[in-house]
Amino acid sequence: GEDVEQSLFLSVREGDSSVINCTYTDSSSTYLYWYKQEPGAGLQLLTYIFSNMDMKQDQRLTVLLNKKDKHLSLRIADTQTGDSAIYFCAENGGATNKLIFGTGTLLAVQP
Amino acid sequence: ETGVTQTPRHLVMGMTNKKSLKCEQHLGHNAMYWYKQSAKKPLELMFVYNFKEQTENNSVPSRFSPECPNSSHLFLHLHTLQPEDSALYLCASSQAQGPLEQYFGPGTRLTVT
Repeated sequence: GEDVEQSLFLSVREGDSSVINCTYTDSSSTYLYWYKQEPGAGLQLLTYIFSNMDMKQDQRLTVLLNKKDKHLSLRIADTQTGDSAIYFCAENGGATNKLIFGTGTLLAVQP
Repeated sequence: ETGVTQTPRHLVMGMTNKKSLKCEQHLGHNAMYWYKQSAKKPLELMFVYNFKEQTENNSVPSRFSPECPNSSHLFLHLHTLQPEDSALYLCASSQAQGPLEQYFGPGTRLTVT
């Protein structure tokens, strides 16, 4: 079955790098995604990676994909207090328009 | 502002009430979605509409009834809800094909008393 797992909580100091990890089960996923949810808001698409890539960089964000281990990570460089939010990993499971989301990782950035 | 709006933002209703949630997207997308977000649970996909046709009903109880009159508007009609239906209901839209970049609205916080 389809399953996406994330650790629940990560705490970092401002200026440090944050690494949020995710594992998924469906090897037929063609895209994997990272979303951010701030309090009282919906989910914001941060970035996504095609399954035949192993890395994607977008400013402070770096996505690493290990397809063999079905492991996805999001690295945030120079983490700021405004990065405090819940981060969701998602896969499309090979389906055309159905996303499977993880439970989310709460990132707390300490000043 | 993501281009997806939802109203109302907050709703309190009794178990015998009937209410509707509204979602509108201004992005020219042709797929729309309803999700339920409860505390400490993964985001649950409820319904998917592609080109106004429902393509997914994820075993949602019949007390939730979706309606998609056109590609820009999506409704969720609610009746005889239960307290466990209290949650954040999120609407999203995307193109029906491609990398499936889903854009979410801010959600409606629903409390059933």
